[in-house]
Amino acid sequence: AQSVTQLDSHVSVSEGTPVLLRCNYSSSYSPSLFWYVQHPNKGLQLLLKYTSAATLVKGINGFEAEFKKSETSFHLTKPSAHMSDAAEYFCVVSGTGFQKLVFGTGTRLLVSP
Amino acid sequence: DAGVIQSPRHEVTEMGQEVTLRCKPISGHDYLFWYRQTMMRGLELLIYFNNNVPIDDSGMPEDRFSAKMPNASFSTLKIQPSEPRDSAVYFCASSVDSREQYFGPGTRLTVT
Repeated sequence: AQSVTQLDSHVSVSEGTPVLLRCNYSSSYSPSLFWYVQHPNKGLQLLLKYTSAATLVKGINGFEAEFKKSETSFHLTKPSAHMSDAAEYFCVVSGTGFQKLVFGTGTRLLVSP
Repeated sequence: DAGVIQSPRHEVTEMGQEVTLRCKPISGHDYLFWYRQTMMRGLELLIYFNNNVPIDDSGMPEDRFSAKMPNASFSTLKIQPSEPRDSAVYFCASSVDSREQYFGPGTRLTVT
């Protein structure tokens, strides 16, 4: 079975500083991994996805994530936080073939001026 | 493309009443998913359809919940009778290959 663990429930950064949101996964198969973002009172928006191509994945709004099989990690990063990045971020895993998407518990990113 | 459309955006109802949530997936998408999001349980997959056929409804909490997809452009999630513990945000999502899912804005349901 697939699962993801988001290591931090809350992350606080100052505007202009780097962002690191941590995610570890468990999968019996070569996984597909995603990061979704949810702004307050909004639906979930796909930030980026990894599907066994390049291990460094670039997404929207300057975010990127690196798939590290040896560490079973898929951490989300951004060089410089913006106030508009304040939101909830979900790490998601899916196995080969169709599998249900399994969502992490979410990390709330707070950005202070 | 307008994206996934859900209606209503907000629903307030009294316990015991029937509630119907509606979803229009993105045109051309052949998978449709219904999720529920609560503070306590996070995001839960309730049911999903492929080509209008329900494939897995193991996440539907009780017989009070039912979902239909009469055609490729419309799905409903019905709760009858509703209970206060059904209060949550319900999301609909659609996809082409069942992995990269596109979510609607959600329906915030409050049952008093």
